[in-house]
Amino acid sequence: QVQLQESGPGLVKPSETLSLSCSVSGGSMTNYFWSWIRQPPGKGLEWIGYIFYTGATNYNSSLKSRVAMSVDTSKDQFSLKLTSVTAADTAVYYCARGAFCSGGDCYWLDSWGQGTLVTVSS
Amino acid sequence: SSELTQDPAVSVALGQTVTITCQGESLRSYHATWFQQKPGRAPILVIYYNNIRPSGVPDRFSDSRSGNTASLTISGAQAEDEADYYCYSRDSSQRGVFGGGTKLTVL
Repeated sequence: QVQLQESGPGLVKPSETLSLSCSVSGGSMTNYFWSWIRQPPGKGLEWIGYIFYTGATNYNSSLKSRVAMSVDTSKDQFSLKLTSVTAADTAVYYCARGAFCSGGDCYWLDSWGQGTLVTVSS
Repeated sequence: SSELTQDPAVSVALGQTVTITCQGESLRSYHATWFQQKPGRAPILVIYYNNIRPSGVPDRFSDSRSGNTASLTISGAQAEDEADYYCYSRDSSQRGVFGGGTKLTVL
């Protein structure tokens, strides 16, 4: 059973860069989308983006100018960078594994990390 | 449009059937996926692509799709089903999108 674990600072200063990593164990990274999702306190889930195992990316259009993702399949991990953070970026950040069906009309996130709270504050 | 719309809250009597809906234009092209989230916990996948349930998810959970609407049905709701439920799909640009979530209360 694949397991994912987020890691990174729990506190980031405004205008700085949020950096998180997600370690993958118990399964291959090949043929999956590796995703980041966040959830502000008391609010719903927000899709941040994904990186395919090949390195291809797709980002939320509202965050696209500030987001960068990378993947290192040799180390079984992928990463998120979010620049110029503000208090509005305070959230629990989740990494997740995304799969898809051969017809291309269905996508799902079948394994999630436990989440890590990142607070933006001076 | 890349939005998915869910009712904010739904309630059901213990043992009764409840349906949670998700509306959005992208659902005409893509199947919805449904997640359950309990307080302080990560979401878990409960159903996707024509009633596929991961191991451990009870068969009282089922889904359906019609036009721009996807539905999650819980037949015989149990106290442990009380949670937030989110639908998820993709938009025409292949970007992921979540519904706003539905808080299910089991009375």
